[in-house]
Amino acid sequence: KNEVEQSPQNLTAQEGEFITINCSYSVGISALHWLQQHPGGGIVSLFMLSSGKKKHGRLIATINIQEKHSSLHITASHPRDSAVYICAVRWFGPRETSGSRLTFGEGTQLTVNP
Amino acid sequence: DTGVSQDPRHKITKRGQNVTFRCDPISEHNRLYWYRQTLGQGPEFLTYFQNEAQLEKSRLLSDRFSAERPKGSFSTLEIQRTEQGDSAMYLCASSPTFSTDTQYFGPGTRLTVL
Repeated sequence: KNEVEQSPQNLTAQEGEFITINCSYSVGISALHWLQQHPGGGIVSLFMLSSGKKKHGRLIATINIQEKHSSLHITASHPRDSAVYICAVRWFGPRETSGSRLTFGEGTQLTVNP
Repeated sequence: DTGVSQDPRHKITKRGQNVTFRCDPISEHNRLYWYRQTLGQGPEFLTYFQNEAQLEKSRLLSDRFSAERPKGSFSTLEIQRTEQGDSAMYLCASSPTFSTDTQYFGPGTRLTVL
């Protein structure tokens, strides 16, 4: 059982739709990341959260520490948003020995059709 | 380009051969991570360096795998006696020591073991 779970695994939307991807994790974390991966492998960091909400353009990320849950929202979705969206967490632990190593969810494949 | 670079981008090898991958982090980034990603899965942590010191290794890193970062700059990941199960994308990421935990990922090396 993965310690970081995402849903849905696959999501198909029409251009303009509001999209939500969810992430749940099992124990306390010091930070949660949302990442975007395009075909070919390149990963880009979208957000890092430890509490509350962040917004960047059409992307919004929220986190509820008590419920151990985060969501990534995309407003006015566009075909160029098609990618795999990955949630990753940094567990509490000594930075000196583990740095900021991340544990990843399995990703959500998003396809936005024109 | 001052991002994280990896070489080669693709490697095809026969089972039993040794392979070596290189990662050049963003200059002055003290922390360097190796992750492995199999098809349809999220990345998994392999190992972490703080400067030249390898501070943490995953149990996924069998004795056929070795990683080095001899001068605290670039890093190499070697796989000896490759097996078909080693086929995956190998991702490198770096971050500054006193950072907000944001990791910058390279484009990855895709390994195919025939």
